[in-house]
This record gives sequence, structure tokens and C-alpha cells, in this order.
Amino acid sequence: EIVLTQSPGTLSLSPGERATLSCRASQSVTSNYLAWYQQRPGQAPRLLIYGASRRATGVPDRFSGSGSGADFTLTISGLEPEDFAVYYCQQYGRAPLTFGPGTNVDIK
Amino acid sequence: QVQLVQSGAEVKKPGSSVKVSCKASGGSFNNFAVSWVRQAPGQGLEWMGGIIPIFVSPNYAPKYQDRVTISADESTSTVFMEIHSLRSDDTAIYYCAKSQSTVTTYFYFGLWGQGTLITVSS
Repeated sequence: EIVLTQSPGTLSLSPGERATLSCRASQSVTSNYLAWYQQRPGQAPRLLIYGASRRATGVPDRFSGSGSGADFTLTISGLEPEDFAVYYCQQYGRAPLTFGPGTNVDIK
Repeated sequence: QVQLVQSGAEVKKPGSSVKVSCKASGGSFNNFAVSWVRQAPGQGLEWMGGIIPIFVSPNYAPKYQDRVTISADESTSTVFMEIHSLRSDDTAIYYCAKSQSTVTTYFYFGLWGQGTLITVSS
């Protein structure tokens, strides 16, 4: 199975700052089938990005995804208070589906 | 606007089984695949398996192949996930999630249920 590694584990930033989250796969992700989710405490995950760079409906444009092959990045251009949460990447190019361990973006 | 509504929290004994439901409220699954994802306390997300309601055969992650059964009832727009031989480390929140594909369960998830907490304790 494809193992996803996310870094850093925790990112401590202030509102307004830029967040850069990394997701690396143990092998190339087919057709860049890589998604990003946000999970706030006590809530279900929410889809942000699919196909490595396509924003889901209703997602603010401060969220952007990039990358290809085995290296992917989620960038939040200016953190809003509601953006402090845990972010997971997920690959859907090869069975079984796998998720990364998450990056916790917390307030500095 | 379709929502996924899951059954309520349960407490189970080790060795028993539990069946969790996920109903498409305000519509149907429209043949889109539905998966189950679990999250142990303080941990990350783990895909267990999925099903396209009009098809017969679900797909499972290897880890769950022998202990989990996923099924669907199209007439009530409900998908089920049953875990057998429960262990204490099955204590987790279980989410159903609807994908954006009608041809494969291996996809991303645009809609999630609210989650069901299953606690396994003697």
C-alpha cells in the first residue's frame, strides 16, 4: 500500500501567516489522485482539495494545492482563525485508500 | 441537499458485533460510492472499505477483509457497516463518507456523516 508521510507534525503560526504543509508518498501517486481534508475538533473531515490542485466547492481561494508524483503541498495563504485545525492528505490512485497522519496547525 | 445521517453511539463487549448505519437524508446516494473511515481516539483517519449501492461486491482494506461486512439497502438509501469479534482497539469514531464516483470505491470524499462512536469495553 502507499504510505503517506506528512510534515511537519505540528505547525505553530499566527493568524495572517502563510502555512505550507507537505505530503510525501512512498511511491508515485497515480494521476496525482491526491486529496486534502481539514478536520476541526469534534467535527467530521471536510474536503478541501482533490486531484492535487482542484479546490472543492465552497473552499476559499486562500487554500491551494500543488505537486505531482510523490510530493504534494497544501498552502494556506493567510491563516484565518477558523483555519486552525488538523489537515490530512489522502491518495486514491491505488487500493487500499490511505491517509497521511495529519498536520496540526495551531495558534502560536 | 443530501446529508449522511449515522446511527447513534454504542457500547459493546469484546467479542461481540456492532452494525452501524448511514442514511442519505434528503435524497439518495444516486449510485455514488460510500466508504467507511475510522478514527481511533486522538489518531488519524483509516479507510476500512466501501461499496457502490447498486453493485453487489464491496471493497475492503486488507486489514478489515475478514472482520468487517459492508452492505447497502437501496430501497431506504442506507449503507451499513458491521464489525465482528470486537476488540478494545476497535474503540473509535466511525464515519461514512460519500465519494464523487459512481464507478469505483477508490476515490475522494465530498460528503461525510457526523460520525458514530463505538466503545468496546468489558
